[in-house]
Amino acid sequence: DQQVKQNSPSLSVQEGRISILNCDYTNSMFDYFLWYKKYPAEGPTFLISISSIKDKNEDGRFTVFLNKSAKHLSLHIVPSQPGDSAVYFCAASRTTDSWGKFQFGAGTQVVVTP
Amino acid sequence: NAGVTQTPKFQVLKTGQSMTLQCAQDMNHNSMYWYRQDPGMGLRLIYYSASEGTTDKGEVPNGYNVSRLNKREFSLRLESAAPSQTSVYFCASSEIRDQPQHFGDGTRLSIL
Repeated sequence: DQQVKQNSPSLSVQEGRISILNCDYTNSMFDYFLWYKKYPAEGPTFLISISSIKDKNEDGRFTVFLNKSAKHLSLHIVPSQPGDSAVYFCAASRTTDSWGKFQFGAGTQVVVTP
Repeated sequence: NAGVTQTPKFQVLKTGQSMTLQCAQDMNHNSMYWYRQDPGMGLRLIYYSASEGTTDKGEVPNGYNVSRLNKREFSLRLESAAPSQTSVYFCASSEIRDQPQHFGDGTRLSIL
């Protein structure tokens, strides 16, 4: 039973425009969320995180939004660059009792075109 | 600055063979993890180690064993490989629990 879902397997966006990646979760006890970026033949690398006490976190071109009532988070990349072409995973955990055991979504492949 | 190193990068096994996947981290992290990634699915946790000397099952532990050899190294063993274990395996580490994890580049394992 997948508790974290990324319903868009792929996204194509023009260079300079905004990329919006979505992630839904079913477990209302999740309180810590991460986004990872993955290039082919490499491991995922941490991008940005947000805890449930916030609804927004920014880091440069990357912003994560959390809507707890909708059990939804999104990652905005502005402006998109060719180097952003990668697979993006969202992950969630219950820090109170799940001991760092993150649930991952299936990923969204982003392609940034010139 | 190597981070998390996994060996081998690729391996082909026959059904029933055994194999150990090696993982080492040089960041002095306390916690280490083994995941598998299958097409259309997110990473699934196989086993984790909170600290040196402790290991616990994750979401999909059947058919695997692990050893936390020391603080740096965490190995994953397949005792009798099955085609269903064909996957890409990632090792990860974090300083403490609930911190973002650092991943190795993966081992692509095919079992015929």
